[in-house]
Amino acid sequence: EAQVTQNPRYLITVTGKKLTVTCSQNMNHEYMSWYRQDPGLGLRQIYYSMNVEVTDKGDVPEGYKVSRKEKRNFPLILESPSPNQTSLYFCASSSLRPGGTQYFGPGTRLLVL
Amino acid sequence: SQQGEEDPQALSIQEGENATMNCSYKTSINNLQWYRQNSGRGLVHLILIRSNEREKHSGRLRVTLDTSKKSSSLLITASRAADTASYFCATAYNQAGTALIFGKGTTLSVSS
Repeated sequence: EAQVTQNPRYLITVTGKKLTVTCSQNMNHEYMSWYRQDPGLGLRQIYYSMNVEVTDKGDVPEGYKVSRKEKRNFPLILESPSPNQTSLYFCASSSLRPGGTQYFGPGTRLLVL
Repeated sequence: SQQGEEDPQALSIQEGENATMNCSYKTSINNLQWYRQNSGRGLVHLILIRSNEREKHSGRLRVTLDTSKKSSSLLITASRAADTASYFCATAYNQAGTALIFGKGTTLSVSS
């Protein structure tokens, strides 16, 4: 089954404690992206990657890092989480064919105390 | 901001009625996509309309695009309680559709 998986699904942590949210897709997609969703603000893009070793900033990259060492994986790293990073995070992937649509993971709900 | 704007923010209807949601955007696009999100879950792609298309259908969904007005509408006909969800438009600024800008969404509630 074609899917995007994220782990963990729920996470409570404390300020400053480094964490990683993993994202994996099994569709051989070149493109992967991370979004955060906050009430009243919709989805905002954090980082995206067009292929292995190619990453770029989205609209709200501050406080986040990503890496793309393998095509299927695109982890999101919070080196020093802060309470304003409490949010619902989604990973997505798509092919680079014209008109490609994005497939979303189930989301990771993060609470930073 | 290039962000699209959906209208209305919330919509409540009875089963069997039609639901119409609108989306406006600010700059030229390659395509426009509609997504659905059930509460707290991931987004699911519904339909894509290219900038050179004016109308598209998929089952009970009908999407229109007016590039001169920079607006789109999503019509769900004969709504069901299972259609209750948030609906987002996303505008794509590149051909591959990877540069997506999402609106804030319309929350649809369908009561039986």
